Amino acid sequence: GNSVTQMEGPVTLSEEAFLTINCTYTATGYPSLFWYVQYPGEGLQLLLKATKADDKGSNKGFEATYRKETTSFHLEKGSVQVSDSAVYFCALGGTGANSKLTFGKGITLSVRP
Amino acid sequence: DTAVSQTPKYLVTQMGNDKSIKCEQNLGHDTMYWYKQDSKKFLKIMFSYNNKELIINETVPNRFSPKSPDKAHLNLHINSLELGDSAVYFCASSQWITSQYEQYFGPGTRLTVT
Repeated sequence: GNSVTQMEGPVTLSEEAFLTINCTYTATGYPSLFWYVQYPGEGLQLLLKATKADDKGSNKGFEATYRKETTSFHLEKGSVQVSDSAVYFCALGGTGANSKLTFGKGITLSVRP
Repeated sequence: DTAVSQTPKYLVTQMGNDKSIKCEQNLGHDTMYWYKQDSKKFLKIMFSYNNKELIINETVPNRFSPKSPDKAHLNLHINSLELGDSAVYFCASSQWITSQYEQYFGPGTRLTVT
């Protein structure tokens, strides 16, 4: 079945540091890939998406590229801010009639001033 | 104007009780979901309704019963609550055909069973 593997956390960075959060997936067919973000005390929000190989999703300074050859969708940001502190979830949208979003375990990012 | 709202935000109850959580969306979406998030932040889908029809029903104890009176509402009723039901429950919605996986989440209901 489909699965998403995220790197182990938590991650703590200083403001303006470079961020990479690794995500790899296992799926049949050609799934869509997503990053969702959960700020403290809130529900999840879609951060960015990519629907086919080599697509790059971007939003709020975050980027991720759909790499079919390595089955990866790593999240990057060049300069993190304190306000980026949140839990980040990589997710895969399956193919088929009644498919569902499969989430990774999530990783907590803390950015200190 | 809140897109996806849930009530209550917090729910503290004793084992064995029955409780309900309500969800409403004003986005005009045709599909709604219930997710459970455990203490380690792991998120798992429980149910999904499309146009009031149940389309996803994961392996969830039958003490959990969703009900969708219309496209804008999806409620979750839980019978005979157990300690292991303590979690944050999220409702979400999306438009099935055009953007099934672009889901909008509510703020969550933190359920604590004592």
